[in-house]
Amino acid sequence: QVQLVDSGGGVVQPGRSLRLSCAASGFTFTNYAMHWVRQAPGKGLEWVAVISGDGNYKNYAASVKGRFTISRDNSKNTLSLQMNSLRPDDTAVYYCSAAHDSRWHSFDHWGQGTLVTVSS
Amino acid sequence: QSALTQPASVSGSPGQSITISCTGTRSDVGGFNFVSWYQQHPGKAPKLMIYDVTNRPSGISDRFSGSKSGNTASLTISGLQADDEADYFCSSFTSTSALYVFGPGTKVTVL
Repeated sequence: QVQLVDSGGGVVQPGRSLRLSCAASGFTFTNYAMHWVRQAPGKGLEWVAVISGDGNYKNYAASVKGRFTISRDNSKNTLSLQMNSLRPDDTAVYYCSAAHDSRWHSFDHWGQGTLVTVSS
Repeated sequence: QSALTQPASVSGSPGQSITISCTGTRSDVGGFNFVSWYQQHPGKAPKLMIYDVTNRPSGISDRFSGSKSGNTASLTISGLQADDEADYFCSSFTSTSALYVFGPGTKVTVL
C-alpha cells in the first residue's frame, strides 16, 4: 500500500537551515506530483511547494519562495525540502503529499508529518 | 488568515446529516472544479475525502458527498457516525500566485 514517511524535522535557530525528506513506497513514484504542506501548531493547512513527477516543474508559496527548494530523486523514491533562512513563523508540522498525475490538484496521500521548530 | 472561509464548527446527532460550506472567489472555488476536502483526526495526518468537487477516492464511504454552487463548495456527511468527529479542511486550486489555498477548518462534533 501507499506509504510516505516524513523525516528530518527538529529544533533550529532562526536563520539556520534544515532539510526534510520523504520516503515513498507502494506506488509508481514518477506518476505522482509531490507536494509539501505545513500546519502551524493549532492552525490550518498551508501549501508550501510542488514538484512534477519528472522533476521539471516546481512552484512555491510566496511565503517560502527564494528560501525553500523542493527536489526529488526518482531513482530512490525520495522527496526533499531544503529550508534556508528559517524564521519563527516557519514553525509547523511539515507533511509530504502525493498527487496522481491525473489529478494534480488534490492531495491524495499524506506522510505522518515531521515537526520543525524555529526558535532561539 | 485563510483564503477560503469555513464555519468554525458544525455539530449533529448520530444518523443525522450535516453540511460544511467553503466559500472562496472566482479565482479559486468559483473558477475551477478543483475543490477537495480533507478529514483530520487529532494528531493525525489529513485524509482525502473528496476531490474535484464531487469525486470520492476509492475506499471513502458514500456517506460523504461534495457539491459546488458559484463560489461556495459544500461537503455533506450523511448518517453521521462517532468516527466522523474530526476537523475538515477544504482546498482549492487558485489562479493567484498561491496556487493552492485551504480553508481554516471546521470542527465536526457528533453529539
